[in-house]
Amino acid sequence: DAGVTQSPTHLIKTRGQQVTLRCSPKSGHDTVSWYQQALGQGPQFIFQYYEEEERQRGNFPDRFSGHQFPNYSSELNVNALLLGDSALYLCASSWSPGGQPQHFGDGTRLSIL
Amino acid sequence: DQQVKQNSPSLSVQEGRISILNCDYTNSMFDYFLWYKKYPAEGPTFLISISSIKDKNEDGRFTVFLNKSAKHLSLHIVPSQPGDSAVYFCAASGEEYGNKLVFGAGTILRVKS
Repeated sequence: DAGVTQSPTHLIKTRGQQVTLRCSPKSGHDTVSWYQQALGQGPQFIFQYYEEEERQRGNFPDRFSGHQFPNYSSELNVNALLLGDSALYLCASSWSPGGQPQHFGDGTRLSIL
Repeated sequence: DQQVKQNSPSLSVQEGRISILNCDYTNSMFDYFLWYKKYPAEGPTFLISISSIKDKNEDGRFTVFLNKSAKHLSLHIVPSQPGDSAVYFCAASGEEYGNKLVFGAGTILRVKS
């Protein structure tokens, strides 16, 4: 039973660039949430996707956008990268928008130079 | 505004003894609480959860206690094992907040053999 998978594992970008991160949910899950974890902090909710729509959004600027595909996989896009966007980006999936617990992938480590 | 707080950045415990990790929350609308464990280079792994209608939930060596009047929960690990050494995150959610998890900053647990 495949868990949540994320790609790539690591990524290095420069300021102003754009990045796309990818996530495949756990088998049987249809809801994907994205979190940002800065160093020394807990994960912070970015947004949630269900039925290919953004259902809920945290306190993140419009530079952060996403997409969900018919197979439930998801992408996180960040435009105009800032140094402060350097973080671990975690994808979590669940069996419904209200389902708990959420299962997390191993994350993508994004470094901005 | 930190709605979920883990005030102890780290905890060191001898193998075989009890580990007690604490978490406080401020928002009375939270009605479901979870503990996650995180090893380096891995995503958070779900450990145990508790609904606000209960005050205790047990799963093997792990027990979570909830004190709603004090807005406090704790995770007890008995007996502690070296493999329990990890970062532990407390998280909260509420029906009014959809599925999003609000995390504390984490506590690093070191179990010494």
